[in-house]
Amino acid sequence: NAGVTQTPKFQVLKTGQSMTLQCAQDMNHEYMSWYRQDPGMGLRLIHYSVGAGITDQGEVPNGYNVSRSTTEDFPLRLLSAAPSQTSVYFCASRSRVHNEQFFGPGTRLTVL
Amino acid sequence: GENVEQHPSTLSVQEGDSAVIKCTYSDSASNYFPWYKQELGKGPQLIIDIRSNVGEKKDQRIAVTLNKTAKHFSLHITETQPEDSAVYFCAASPLGSGNTGKLIFGQGTTLQVKP
Repeated sequence: NAGVTQTPKFQVLKTGQSMTLQCAQDMNHEYMSWYRQDPGMGLRLIHYSVGAGITDQGEVPNGYNVSRSTTEDFPLRLLSAAPSQTSVYFCASRSRVHNEQFFGPGTRLTVL
Repeated sequence: GENVEQHPSTLSVQEGDSAVIKCTYSDSASNYFPWYKQELGKGPQLIIDIRSNVGEKKDQRIAVTLNKTAKHFSLHITETQPEDSAVYFCAASPLGSGNTGKLIFGQGTTLQVKP
């Protein structure tokens, strides 16, 4: 199993550009989440999903969109990038039965 | 909503000493409290967790204690080793999240173990 994979690993955007951060898991987990990590602020939940076709907002959803068309994939879209979205983004998944969340390796995003 | 405070932000210990990291939470309905370890350039990894119906849990050199009345929980690492050096995060699962995996994280503690 590859676990949770994220692409790209690094990305530099200009203000106003859009992009999609990819996340995939091969563990057949029902639940998937996106977090952003900023210095001194821990990990903050952006959006999460409890299954294909179902998504909901977390603590800091503004400026981000998600969709969940399959169990495996949970892409995060930045519609119009802003410098405040410079961060490290982590995708995570877990099964409905067990509590442990598995995190991907992260995407480091810089918005100029 | 739920708020989790974590202290200290940095912790430096000598190899072989113990390390303690503390977290407090605000929502008394939270019932699941995991601890994650994050090594440089990697995603967080679960090291131990505790449910609200248990006061203490141990796994080799790592233990977690929970005081529901005071709404705080702590991570204890004994006989620290250089490979324990990492960033540690506590988290709480707030009311309404059920089994959705929705976690609220503390700010993180950078632990340095000096050889």
